[in-house]
Amino acid sequence: EIIMTQSPATLSVSPGERVTLSCRASQSVSSRLAWYHQRPGQAPRLLIYGASTRATGVPARFSGSGSGTEFTLTISSLLSEDFAVYYCQQYNDWPRTFGQGTRVDI
Amino acid sequence: EVQLVESGGGLVQPGRSLRLSCAASGFTFDDFAMHWVRQVPGKGLEWVTGISWNSVTINYADPVKGRFTTSRDNAKNSLYLQMNSLGVDDTGLYYCAKAADAAAYFDSWGRGTLVTVSS
Repeated sequence: EIIMTQSPATLSVSPGERVTLSCRASQSVSSRLAWYHQRPGQAPRLLIYGASTRATGVPARFSGSGSGTEFTLTISSLLSEDFAVYYCQQYNDWPRTFGQGTRVDI
Repeated sequence: EVQLVESGGGLVQPGRSLRLSCAASGFTFDDFAMHWVRQVPGKGLEWVTGISWNSVTINYADPVKGRFTTSRDNAKNSLYLQMNSLGVDDTGLYYCAKAADAAAYFDSWGRGTLVTVSS
């Protein structure tokens, strides 16, 4: 199984700051990598797929990059609604696997 | 608008069974693979199982193989998860998720149904 490792586990930031989250795969997943965020009490929401393509309705402040084993999600200027847990997920192989999440706190 | 509504969760004793359902609307159900993803409250996401649009291809995570069975009824726009021999480690919020395409990332999620396995 492909292990997805996210860092850091927690990030404490202020609104308006630029945020960079990392995700590493234990073996190459090509560009088959998605990012989600999950607000408290809500279901996850797809942000990015194909490592860098924003899902429908996702604001331009979210961007993804990377391929192979190293990936990054960047939020250019954090809004209050962006405080959430962020997960990466690979879909290159079975089983589909998620990272353990990065919590973005105020 | 895509809607996925899970049901069937509850409190069950270890070793017992439970059947979850997911009612889908707002899209052509039989065009898409569907999946179940679970989450222990306060913890991360764990993919459980996925079924292709025509039920020909079904995949399971190792912890549930041989105990869980996923199925779908395209005529009823419904997805199911039969869970047998439940253990305390199966406790969690079970989400129904729509695959965006054959690639199996998930572009729509239900709100989840809570399964608690406890004596």
